Parts: sequence; C-alpha cells; structure tokens
Amino acid sequence: GESVGLHLPTLSVQEGDNSIINCAYSNSASDYFIWYKQESGKGPQFIIDIRSNMDKRQGQRVTVLLNKTVKHLSLQIAATQPGDSAVYFCAEKPWSYDKVIFGPGTSLSVIP
Amino acid sequence: NAGVTQTPKFRILKIGQSMTLQCTQDMNHNYMYWYRQDPGMGLKLIYYSVGAGITDKGEVPNGYNVSRSTTEDFPLRLELAAPSQTSVYFCASSYSGGRLRTDTQYFGPGTRLTVL
Repeated sequence: GESVGLHLPTLSVQEGDNSIINCAYSNSASDYFIWYKQESGKGPQFIIDIRSNMDKRQGQRVTVLLNKTVKHLSLQIAATQPGDSAVYFCAEKPWSYDKVIFGPGTSLSVIP
Repeated sequence: NAGVTQTPKFRILKIGQSMTLQCTQDMNHNYMYWYRQDPGMGLKLIYYSVGAGITDKGEVPNGYNVSRSTTEDFPLRLELAAPSQTSVYFCASSYSGGRLRTDTQYFGPGTRLTVL
C-alpha cells in the first residue's frame, strides 16, 4: 500500500564493499520504478530508473534489478564510498496514477 | 536552469499563525507535488497538481491548502499552524504526458518548519 510512517531500516557496509538495498513494491500495475538518494539536509535526488519491460539497468556504479514476479526491486552500489552514505528511497508508479508511491527508505551508512 | 526552488529555507511559527511556503520550477514541468518528511521518516504526499488550475489531495492534506495559477508556481498554505506540522517540506516537479513519460520527480532543497 502507500508509504506508512515507519522508522527507517539501516544498512552498514564497509568502504569498498558492494551494497544491496532492497525494496518490495505494492502495486501490480506499477510499470515505472525509480531510486532516489537523499543526503542529510537535502532533497531527494534521482539516481536511476527502470521500466517494467526490463529486469536490469546499469548506471555508473549502480545497478537496479526488477523482479516483477515477486514485486521486488533492488539497488546495487559497487565499491561503496563514504559519499554514498544517505537515505535511499524506491518509488513505483502505476500506469494509471498521477503520482508515485514512495517506499519507507533505507539508511545506508558507509564505514571508512 | 535553477530547477526547483523553495523559500524560505527555515521558519519558526507560533501555534495559530499562518504562512505560505513558496515553490517555483523553471523546467516547464506540468506536475508538481508537496511532501512532508518528519525526522527519520519517509515522504508523505500532501497535495499535488497535474497542471495549472488543477490540484488534488494526497495522503495528508488536512491543515494545508494549495493553488496552481501558473505552470511554474505551486505555493503551499498553512492556515492555523499546529505543532504536528513541524516537519521538512519538499516541493517536487515532473513531466508526464504524451509519448514522453518520464515521471522522474525533481525535488527542491526543502523548507524546515518548526511550530512552537
């Protein structure tokens, strides 16, 4: 369903390791998915997106995987750096909606 | 392009006061949104607009009002401020229409509001 008022889950990774952030989406009609990064004190910023006709998309150091069968989305960050420390939100957009549905977010902490 | 700009950056209100949070975008986006984000929490949609003259409620519209008289501007009005409205407010915009459907939202830097 819609994003609810849950406190953020956290993920701690060692600098240089790969990070995987998972997201379960709610609407079977969603055909567009986006990952956002929010650094402390700033607004969310677009990282990468994927449409439902794809199951994988790669950017610079980031990869998004989409599994429509189980309604699961993941963001993989290669060689995680301290600058990757932030809150990451997934978002889904059903084709018939005027607005996106944001997930609760995951806080990523990179240990130097 | 400046993208999405919001003013003010910070504001302290007393209970019962009113104020308008300003939001402007220069990307000619048709969709605009207002979210609030409480500390350590996710984003909650307050109101959104699919074009000038058209607005609709989101998840948490109570205590707020909006208007959209131009494509560029989407102000958020708080009429009787309450402590529960202490939050960070983000404005966002996106383009959706025709064969080019991106739906990617671009966010402003936020307004930190405290109601005492």
